Amino acid sequence: DQQVKQNSPSLSVQEGRISILNCDYTNSMFDYFLWYKKYPAEGPTFLISISSIKDKNEDGRFTVFLNKSAKHLSLHIVPSQPGDSAVYFCAAYAGTYKYIFGTGTRLKVLA
Amino acid sequence: DTGVSQDPRHKITKRGQNVTFRCDPISEHNRLYWYRQTLGQGPEFLTYFQNEAQLEKSRLLSDRFSAERPKGSFSTLEIQRTEQGDSAMYLCASSPRGPDEQYFGPGTRLTVT
Repeated sequence: DQQVKQNSPSLSVQEGRISILNCDYTNSMFDYFLWYKKYPAEGPTFLISISSIKDKNEDGRFTVFLNKSAKHLSLHIVPSQPGDSAVYFCAAYAGTYKYIFGTGTRLKVLA
Repeated sequence: DTGVSQDPRHKITKRGQNVTFRCDPISEHNRLYWYRQTLGQGPEFLTYFQNEAQLEKSRLLSDRFSAERPKGSFSTLEIQRTEQGDSAMYLCASSPRGPDEQYFGPGTRLTVT
């Protein structure tokens, strides 16, 4: 049973436009979430996190929104750049030192 | 480079052989994680160390898998009697505290033939 879901396996966006990547989770006890970016042949790289005491966290072009009632978070990238093309994973801290990752969304930013 | 390093980067082995992977975390990080990632999936948690203590193991970690972190620095993951289903990317990550962002190594890609 997938507790963290990324239902869009891929997304294409024009350079300069907004990219919105979505993530849903099933366990209301999850209280800390992270987004990672992964390029081919590299390990995932941390992007941004959000605690459940917030509903938004912003870092430069990256903003994460958390809707606890809907058990949904989203990552917004504005403006999108070709270098943002990668696979993006959301992850939830499940307690007892364990992180649960989604299956990833492959973002392609078209020049 | 002070990032997380893993060795080897690629390993091809025959079914039934034993393999061992090494992870060197960022030096000041006392938390170390092992994950397995298969095609089209996100990283799946395998095990967690805080210093030298292995505090959590996933049920994915069958008795053929063992991990150590003998001095609280580098860690090894051994797979005995490898099976074709063990073919995956094995990722190591470290963090200074938890919950917090984890810093991942480049992974070891295992192919069992």
